[in-house]
Amino acid sequence: NAGVTQTPKFRVLKTGQSMTLLCAQDMNHEYMYWYRQDPGMGLRLIHYSVGEGTTAKGEVPDGYNVSRLKKQNFLLGLESAAPSQTSVYFCASSYRGGPYEQYFGPGTRLTVT
Amino acid sequence: GENVEQHPSTLSVQEGDSAVIKCTYSDSASNYFPWYKQELGKRPQLIIDIRSNVGEKKDQRIAVTLNKTAKHFSLHITETQPEDSAVYFCAAGDAGNMLTFGGGTRLMVKP
Repeated sequence: NAGVTQTPKFRVLKTGQSMTLLCAQDMNHEYMYWYRQDPGMGLRLIHYSVGEGTTAKGEVPDGYNVSRLKKQNFLLGLESAAPSQTSVYFCASSYRGGPYEQYFGPGTRLTVT
Repeated sequence: GENVEQHPSTLSVQEGDSAVIKCTYSDSASNYFPWYKQELGKRPQLIIDIRSNVGEKKDQRIAVTLNKTAKHFSLHITETQPEDSAVYFCAAGDAGNMLTFGGGTRLMVKP
């Protein structure tokens, strides 16, 4: 099992450009999450999904959109990147209910210039 | 919403000493308290968790204690080793499996 994977690993964008981060999991997890990690601020939830076709806002959703068309994939989109979105992005997944452990992907380091 | 405070932000100990990291939370509905370890450039990984019906849990050199009345929980690492050096995050979660993370503690174990 690959667990949770993310692509790409690194990306540099110019202000105003758009991009999509892909998260995939092969553990048949219902729940998936997108976090951003900034120095000294821990992990903050951007959006999450409790099942295929569903999404919901987390703590810091502004400037991001998500989609969960397939159970195993969760996409995070930046329509018009801003320097404030420079961060490390982590995807995670877990079983439904519980609460249960969240399994994290390896992260994507995004720099917006 | 939930708010989780974590202290200290940095902690330096000598190899073999104990390390204690403390967290407080605000929402009495939280019932799940995991601790994640993140090595430099790596993903966070769960090292131990505790649920609200338990006051203490131990796994070899790592233990976690929970005081629901005071809304605080702590991570204890005994006989620290250089490979324990990392950033540690506490979190508080609810039945819906949403986690709120603390700001992290950078632990440095000096040989």
